[in-house]
Amino acid sequence: GENVEQHPSTLSVQEGDSAVIKCTYSDSASNYFPWYKQELGKRPQLIIDIRSNVGEKKDQRIAVTLNKTAKHFSLHITETQPEDSAVYFCAAKKAGNQFYFGTGTSLTVIP
Amino acid sequence: SAVISQKPSRDICQRGTSLTIQCQVDSQVTMMFWYRQQPGQSLTLIATANQGSEATYESGFVIDKFPISRPNLTFSTLTVSNMSPEDSSIYLCSVSRDNIVNTEAFFGQGTRLTVV
Repeated sequence: GENVEQHPSTLSVQEGDSAVIKCTYSDSASNYFPWYKQELGKRPQLIIDIRSNVGEKKDQRIAVTLNKTAKHFSLHITETQPEDSAVYFCAAKKAGNQFYFGTGTSLTVIP
Repeated sequence: SAVISQKPSRDICQRGTSLTIQCQVDSQVTMMFWYRQQPGQSLTLIATANQGSEATYESGFVIDKFPISRPNLTFSTLTVSNMSPEDSSIYLCSVSRDNIVNTEAFFGQGTRLTVV
């Protein structure tokens, strides 16, 4: 089955700096890569996703890049704000299959 | 999007008893999943709930301990049977609309279970 690894497990940045979280996957058939944000005590919520036919996608301060050859994808948050503090999960999926989640990154943005 | 109602939101149960968690979706969905999440940890898939047939369980999870029902495309239940303190966790229902064209997963608000 698929194996998704996520790094780092914890990340602290100063407000206004950028944060980068990286994930690798093992199954070359995976073709959908969502990122979820989970605030304390809340359910995971999708913040951005990318499909395998695209190399990069951006939504305001959030961007995701995908390197299919190397089987890795990354989340980039620019101009971080305290409300960005949360746990972020990457995931990989292929059609008809389950989502495989990374181990999560706890991001703290220091005011 | 999909609106998911999961209940109960929390419960404290005696060891040896069972708890059934319900997941109701506002529209038909193809795929429904049940996850367990320990505080500060990632999401561990328990099983995929299949409509009209037995659930597909992940390694380490068995039907006798976590029986699942899915009578239609909008509803599923997960039962945690013969509970022990090790079952204390957050249980999350998740759905995905389409299994042909990948779409995002939506989550219920979770059930925080404490076994005493």
